[in-house]
Amino acid sequence: GEDVEQSLFLSVREGDSSVINCTYTDSSSTYLYWYKQEPGAGLQLLTYIFSNMDMKQDQRLTVLLNKKDKHLSLRIADTQTGDSAIYFCAETLVGSGGYQKVTFGIGTKLQVIP
Amino acid sequence: KAGVTQTPRYLIKTRGQQVTLSCSPISGHRSVSWYQQTPGQGLQFLFEYFSETQRNKGNFPGRFSGRQFSNSRSEMNVSTLELGDSALYLCASTQGVSYNSPLHFGNGTRLTVT
Repeated sequence: GEDVEQSLFLSVREGDSSVINCTYTDSSSTYLYWYKQEPGAGLQLLTYIFSNMDMKQDQRLTVLLNKKDKHLSLRIADTQTGDSAIYFCAETLVGSGGYQKVTFGIGTKLQVIP
Repeated sequence: KAGVTQTPRYLIKTRGQQVTLSCSPISGHRSVSWYQQTPGQGLQFLFEYFSETQRNKGNFPGRFSGRQFSNSRSEMNVSTLELGDSALYLCASTQGVSYNSPLHFGNGTRLTVT
């Protein structure tokens, strides 16, 4: 079965790097996503990585994927107060009908201290 | 392109009543998914519609139902409301025809049941 786990809370100082971790259990996951949710808003897609990749970098964001350990991480360089939000990890599986099924972690609340 | 639009943004209902929530997907997106978000349970998948057909369903009671129209707009209905139905209801759309089709979320409808 599929399950996605994340730690609940992370606190960092402004300017430091943040690393948010995620583990998933289904090795047949195709794409893995990171979403950001600010208060009162929906989920905003930040970045994603295909399961045959090890790393993806997009400006201040770096995604690392360790398929052997089923571990995904999101690194935010030079963390700013505007990065304070809840970050969700999500894995995508292909359903029996050929469509995608997305499972989300419970979300990691990132607090950036000025 | 306009994003995913959900209406209304806020709803207050009493126990026993029913409620209908609306979602307009991004233009060209044919798949609409609904999620319930609560502090304790995180994001729980309700159902997904593609081309007016329910393609996937989560583990929610029959009081939760949905439909999709020919223009891909979707509605979800909750009948006989319970206090535990208080949550943020999020709608997400995708093109729905490929394995890498990220979910794009609306800002949600905040339902409070008193």
